[in-house]
Amino acid sequence: QLQLQESGPGLVKPSETLSLTCNVSGDAIRSTTYYWGWIRQPPGKGLEWIGSIYYSGSTYYNPSLKSRVTISVDMSKSQFSLKLSSVTAADTSVYYCARHSSGHLNGGFDYWGQGSLVTVSS
Amino acid sequence: QSVLTQPPSVSAPPGQKVTISCSGSSSNIGNNYVSWYQQLPRAAPKLLIYENNKRPSGIPGRFSGSKSGTSATLGITGLQTGDEADYYCGTWDSSLSAGVFGGGTKVTVL
Repeated sequence: QLQLQESGPGLVKPSETLSLTCNVSGDAIRSTTYYWGWIRQPPGKGLEWIGSIYYSGSTYYNPSLKSRVTISVDMSKSQFSLKLSSVTAADTSVYYCARHSSGHLNGGFDYWGQGSLVTVSS
Repeated sequence: QSVLTQPPSVSAPPGQKVTISCSGSSSNIGNNYVSWYQQLPRAAPKLLIYENNKRPSGIPGRFSGSKSGTSATLGITGLQTGDEADYYCGTWDSSLSAGVFGGGTKVTVL
């Protein structure tokens, strides 16, 4: 059973960079079939796709966040990471990492991490 | 405001059926596959339906999905108290070049 686990600071100051890592169990991250994505959910609100990365390192981002987002992958550590710069209180959310099977999300996000709450506050 | 429109809430007694609509446009639902997710309280979303009407292994047949034009529908039959959750639709938007979700629908079992 595939497992994903987010990790990172739970509190980030305004204007700083939010950094999260998603550990993927086994060698799943090396698969040429799947993509790895980040989704966030502000408290009490809906889901927002942030961006995704393929095993080759190719990335694509939500245009609304593109100028502030970087997603990278580290095969040797079986993990992929999210960096979101210049954060404000509006970036306070639960951040999820998840797997999907096509570039246009055709197969949906089939495996999710448990989520990591990140609060932006001074 | 979400790109995909869902009703905020639906409800029905145990054993009954509910349907949740998800309305979009030709740039998203009209030309891409739709997925549905269940989010139980204080839990991560769970994939219920993918490619409009397919169920992942382990998802009961009580859950069904359909799509017509620029709208999609999730159906839940034989409603159980354990089905109380938020449900989200999602798809790709070709104009935005982004994954998009509905605002979510809260299902209440009366």
